[in-house]
Amino acid sequence: DIKMTQSPSSLSASVGDRVTITCQANEHISNYLNWYQQKPGKAPRLLIYDASHLEPGVPSRFSGSGYGRDFTLTISSLEPEDFATYYCQQYDNTPRVTFGGGTQVEI
Amino acid sequence: EVQLVQSGTQMKKPGESLTISCQVSGYSFIAYWIGWVRQRPGKGLEWMGIIYPGDSDVRYNSAFEGQVTISVDKSINTAYLHWNTLQAADTATYFCARHRGGGTLGSWGPGTLVTVSS
Repeated sequence: DIKMTQSPSSLSASVGDRVTITCQANEHISNYLNWYQQKPGKAPRLLIYDASHLEPGVPSRFSGSGYGRDFTLTISSLEPEDFATYYCQQYDNTPRVTFGGGTQVEI
Repeated sequence: EVQLVQSGTQMKKPGESLTISCQVSGYSFIAYWIGWVRQRPGKGLEWMGIIYPGDSDVRYNSAFEGQVTISVDKSINTAYLHWNTLQAADTATYFCARHRGGGTLGSWGPGTLVTVSS
C-alpha cells in the first residue's frame, strides 16, 4: 500500500506568513498528488491537482510542487481564511487513493 | 453544476444496520467513479472505497472490506454506503466524492454524521 506522510502535523502562523507543508510517499507516485483544504464542519476542497496545477477559483497564493516521492504545498502569504487543515492525497493506483494525515494551520 | 446531496444525520445503536445515500446531479452519473471517505471526530480523512456506477465495479480499502457495502441505483443517480452491524467505532462523518478523472476528488457531498451509541 502507498502511504503518505505529511509534516508538520500542525503549525502556528500569522497572517502574511509564508507557509510550507510537505508530503512524502513511501514509493514513487509520479505527479499523482493532490492537495485539499478542509475547514471545520465542511467537506474538503480541492486546491491543487497533479502536484502543481491550481484548481480554478483557488487563489494564486497557493502553489504545489514535487515529483516522485516528495511534494510541497506553499501558501505565499497567509490570509485569515487560510486557517484550516490541509491534506495531501495520492492516486498512483487509481481508483484507489490514500490521504496523508493532515496538517492543521493555526493562528 | 455538479452536486452531491447526502442523506441526513443518523443516530443508531450498536448492532443496528444503516444505509446512507449520496444523490448526484449535473453530470452523467454512470461515467465517473464515486468514492466514500470517513472522518472520525477530530481525525483525518480515510478513503473507504469506490464504485463505478456504469458497471457497479467496486474497490474497497482493505481496512473496510467486509465491514461496509458500497452500491448504486442508476435509476435515481444515487450511491449508497451500508453497514449490517454498526459499532461505536463507526461514529464519524462520511463524505461521498466524485472522481474527476484519475483519482482527483473534484466534487464532494457535505457529509453525513453517523453517531453510534447505546
